Amino acid sequence: AQSVTQPDIHITVSEGASLELRCNYSYGATPYLFWYVQSPGQGLQLLLKYFSGDTLVQGIKGFEAEFKRSQSSFNLRKPSVHWSDAAEYFCAVGVIYNQGGKLIFGQGTELSVKP
Amino acid sequence: EAGVTQFPSHSVIEKGQTVTLRCDPISGHDNLYWYRRVMGKEIKFLLHFVKESKQDESGMPNNRFLAERTGGTYSTLKVQPAELEDSGVYFCASSHPSGRGYEQYFGPGTRLTVT
Repeated sequence: AQSVTQPDIHITVSEGASLELRCNYSYGATPYLFWYVQSPGQGLQLLLKYFSGDTLVQGIKGFEAEFKRSQSSFNLRKPSVHWSDAAEYFCAVGVIYNQGGKLIFGQGTELSVKP
Repeated sequence: EAGVTQFPSHSVIEKGQTVTLRCDPISGHDNLYWYRRVMGKEIKFLLHFVKESKQDESGMPNNRFLAERTGGTYSTLKVQPAELEDSGVYFCASSHPSGRGYEQYFGPGTRLTVT
């Protein structure tokens, strides 16, 4: 069965420090992978996605993620965190079928940023 | 372009009552999805519409939940009668029917509290 694991429920980093959020997935075929972010009071916003091709994908707000098939991972990174990055981050795998597909989410990682 | 909108933003009802949630997708998006996040858990898929047809309703928890999408535009999700375990945040998402149709755009969610 398809699943996504985000091992870290809560992470705290200092502003300006680098960030890596972990995501591991289980999926039988080539995965469609996503990272979403939810800021307080907001909906889910798509940060970046991987469908195929280059395994290092760039997203919005200076985020990037690397797909590693051998490790079944799709970790999210940012070289320098800003206070506005404090939010909850969700990794998801897309189960694709005709005319669309559903998302299977991890449990989410809440990011706090220290001044 | 307007995003996905959901109404109401919050709803507090008593056990046994009925609640109807509404979602307006992005104009032109044939795919419409409902998801739910129960407190402390991951976001879970409920169902997927393609226009007015249910493509996948494998995530609907039981027959107290009824989703409709008359005319292939907005959708409603009715819970009748509501139980305590139905409390959570209900998200709606939509995606374009072709090309990058796997990118789902989320609304802000409806927070449902059943007391």
